[in-house]
Amino acid sequence: GQQVMQIPQYQHVQEGEDFTTYCNSSTTLSNIQWYKQRPGGHPVFLIQLVKSGEVKKQKRLTFQFGEAKKNSSLHITATQTTDVGTYFCAGRMTTDSWGKLQFGAGTQVVVTP
Amino acid sequence: DGGITQSPKYLFRKEGQNVTLSCEQNLNHDAMYWYRQDPGQGLRLIYYSQIVNDFQKGDIAEGYSVSREKKESFPLTVTSAQKNPTAFYLCASRDRGDQPQHFGDGTRLSIL
Repeated sequence: GQQVMQIPQYQHVQEGEDFTTYCNSSTTLSNIQWYKQRPGGHPVFLIQLVKSGEVKKQKRLTFQFGEAKKNSSLHITATQTTDVGTYFCAGRMTTDSWGKLQFGAGTQVVVTP
Repeated sequence: DGGITQSPKYLFRKEGQNVTLSCEQNLNHDAMYWYRQDPGQGLRLIYYSQIVNDFQKGDIAEGYSVSREKKESFPLTVTSAQKNPTAFYLCASRDRGDQPQHFGDGTRLSIL
């Protein structure tokens, strides 16, 4: 079964609102990466978190890695229409080789103007 | 991403037919990956290769085969044993260590 879970699966947001998507792993992660896939496109890397409790910001996006390194979150403030797409988290399990990532199912974000 | 080229963009397979999806990268990356994407299921790993002439099965390798004879190339064959091949296939590459993956534009495979 899927080892990395993302919630919610779908997120409808009104432009200007904030929202958060969550990523949870059944096992400890060495790191976590976030990707964004626009409709009809391919995933594009956004950021990587490595340290326990790490927080990183990219403009209106705030990424957090949990203290136990089993969960992560992406918070977007003042959502814009350009934020439309599917956001994936992907983590490397501490038990896996350095090459292998487990992707979550993604959160599909729809923005209403 | 400009450094990874997947072809064709669309592919149709007949019953009992094997088809090969091409993936070429000029990023000098050691590792390459093949993922399958179905609606609502994210990316599932089919095969990956960390070095030339070596590759490992991912989570859903049955019905697929790969080769890694050159660093730049990692073709995926969808065999007739794969009974439900309709999906979006993504190839990715990555430099050494925990570096981000760079994806190609993907190939959409359908059954005729």
